[in-house]
Amino acid sequence: QVQLVQSGAEVMQPGASVKVSCQASGYTFTDYYMHWVRQAPGQGLEWMGWINPNSAGTNYAQKFQGRVTMTRDTSISTAYIELNRLRSDDTAVYYCARDTGSSSGAPLYYFDSWGQGTLVTVSS
Amino acid sequence: QSVLTQPPSVSGAPGQRVTISCTGSSSNIGARHDVHWYQQLPGTAPKLLIYGNINRPSGVSARFSGSKSGTSASLAITGLQAEDEADYYCQSYDSSLSGSGVFGGGTKLTVL
Repeated sequence: QVQLVQSGAEVMQPGASVKVSCQASGYTFTDYYMHWVRQAPGQGLEWMGWINPNSAGTNYAQKFQGRVTMTRDTSISTAYIELNRLRSDDTAVYYCARDTGSSSGAPLYYFDSWGQGTLVTVSS
Repeated sequence: QSVLTQPPSVSGAPGQRVTISCTGSSSNIGARHDVHWYQQLPGTAPKLLIYGNINRPSGVSARFSGSKSGTSASLAITGLQAEDEADYYCQSYDSSLSGSGVFGGGTKLTVL
């Protein structure tokens, strides 16, 4: 079965960078787009962008452009999101979520499997 | 605020039917982009409930159904059960700003 396992919680200082990982199993990692979605405490879901694990192509939400980088390591079936210049309002649970669309075509922008989430707390 | 608009809360008694609306615009739902729905139980990751406006993934109860018309979509839940108490999110694609995923603000369903 498809599983997405994320790295553990992080506590970061304002202005720092954080990198969260998402290791996939149960399917061929390079066959499906991977998205990142975050959820601030008590708030709704916010889409951040996607990476095509096959080509390494990315598409970031305009809000995060210049501050976010999505990468992958196909040898260990793992996707990463790095967020720079952290602020207190970046405190959130960060989820990876698998797109149902094949990486050989366009993403379908809906997500059939999610990681367990990684809490990133930004505090001085 | 969110690109897609949902009511903050809805409620219903066990056995009743409730609907949750999701209103968008001409660059997302109105542009014929599909709407998807997720259920999020407290402290857990979202779960896909409806995809492609009306389709249920395998394992999702037939008590959940989706519809779409114009710039809006709806999720209906029939035969309400206590276990349905959760947050529900609609989601679509927005073709403005080089394309992006967009979510509704979420609706808290309370089973009375």
